[in-house]
Amino acid sequence: AQKITQTQPGMFVQEKEAVTLDCTYDTSDPSYGLFWYKQPSSGEMIFLIYQGSYDQQNATEGRYSLNFQKARKSANLVISASQLGDSAMYFCAMRVEPGNTGKLIFGQGTTLQVKP
Amino acid sequence: DAGVIQSPRHEVTEMGQEVTLRCKPISGHNSLFWYRQTMMRGLELLIYFNNNVPIDDSGMPEDRFSAKMPNASFSTLKIQPSEPRDSAVYFCASSFSNTIYFGEGSWLTVV
Repeated sequence: AQKITQTQPGMFVQEKEAVTLDCTYDTSDPSYGLFWYKQPSSGEMIFLIYQGSYDQQNATEGRYSLNFQKARKSANLVISASQLGDSAMYFCAMRVEPGNTGKLIFGQGTTLQVKP
Repeated sequence: DAGVIQSPRHEVTEMGQEVTLRCKPISGHNSLFWYRQTMMRGLELLIYFNNNVPIDDSGMPEDRFSAKMPNASFSTLKIQPSEPRDSAVYFCASSFSNTIYFGEGSWLTVV
């Protein structure tokens, strides 16, 4: 069975510091994609970053990077130089992609609060 | 480019009434997902479509829920009859390859 686990219900970080949000996943399929989304208090789901299971390098998008450790089945999100606007709920998600047809399943989320 | 468009954004309805939520996916996207989000249960996948065909509806709570995708640019999620426990935010998302984008959600309150 496919599963995403986020073990940190809540995290605090000081403004301008880096923070890592943990995500582990479980699947027996060799082809899959990992996603991170941000959900601010306004409620929308904002796509942040994607990592494919066959990608050789860790994905990066601006201040976001994904620390992909395939053997450990982890896909942690690293946010560098935290800003107050980064305060939000963050969701890790996985899509098993046989022919890009798989469903997207989510972890429970981590609430991040950035302190000034 | 327009993103995923959902309507209505907010709806308050009385128990027993029919509710229809609508979604227009991003043009060219070939997968469409319906999710429900509550504090208690988090984000739950209700159903998803590939090329307008329902692939997995195992997350649909019960027979009161139904979803259709008559063409590539439109999908509906219907609840009939609605109950207070259906109160939630319902998200539609569309996908092509590695990109999956969400609409702003439909906030449903059943009283």
